[in-house]
Amino acid sequence: ETGVTQSPTHLIKTRGQQVTLRCSSQSGHNTVSWYQQALGQGPQFIFQYYREEENGRGNFPPRFSGLQFPNYSSELNVNALELDDSALYLCASSPDRQETQYFGPGTRLLVL
Amino acid sequence: GNSVTQMEGPVTLSEEAFLTINCTYTATGYPSLFWYVQYPGEGLQLLLKATKADDKGSNKGFEATYRKETTSFHLEKGSVQVSDSAVYFCALSPNRDDKIIFGKGTRLHILP
Repeated sequence: ETGVTQSPTHLIKTRGQQVTLRCSSQSGHNTVSWYQQALGQGPQFIFQYYREEENGRGNFPPRFSGLQFPNYSSELNVNALELDDSALYLCASSPDRQETQYFGPGTRLLVL
Repeated sequence: GNSVTQMEGPVTLSEEAFLTINCTYTATGYPSLFWYVQYPGEGLQLLLKATKADDKGSNKGFEATYRKETTSFHLEKGSVQVSDSAVYFCALSPNRDDKIIFGKGTRLHILP
């Protein structure tokens, strides 16, 4: 059974650019959640997708957007990057919005 | 609102010492509670969970009991190993079907 995978592992962007991060959910999981983890902090919930629809959103501006595909993989898009967007972005999947979520290794984004 | 407060680190112990990491929470309703662990350079792994009052979650020698009267979910282990060195996150799921709210994490160092 393949776990949650994310790509790329590392990324460097400059302020004002746009970025797309990708996540493949664990086999059989139709729910994907995205979290931002700043250095030395706990993960913060960005949003969740369930069967291609947004199912909850945290306190992040609209320039953070997402998408879930029919195979339940997902993308996180961030427009107009700011220095404070530098963080580890974690994707987690679960079956049918179950509370136990399984995390991928993350994508580390550095904004210069 | 919903929040998690856990003891600040770093916590440094010798191998075979007893471990306690304190965690308290604020939540409306009846959340599920979790401990996640993050090893260096990796994503989050679920360590244990409890879904109702007085439940005890356990895994790999770690235990935590859901105490509703004190709104606590302290993590304990009787004899730590060097391989337990990691960052530990206490977390809750308020609605049980979307976001997880994390504490700031406690870094644990175990000395041989």
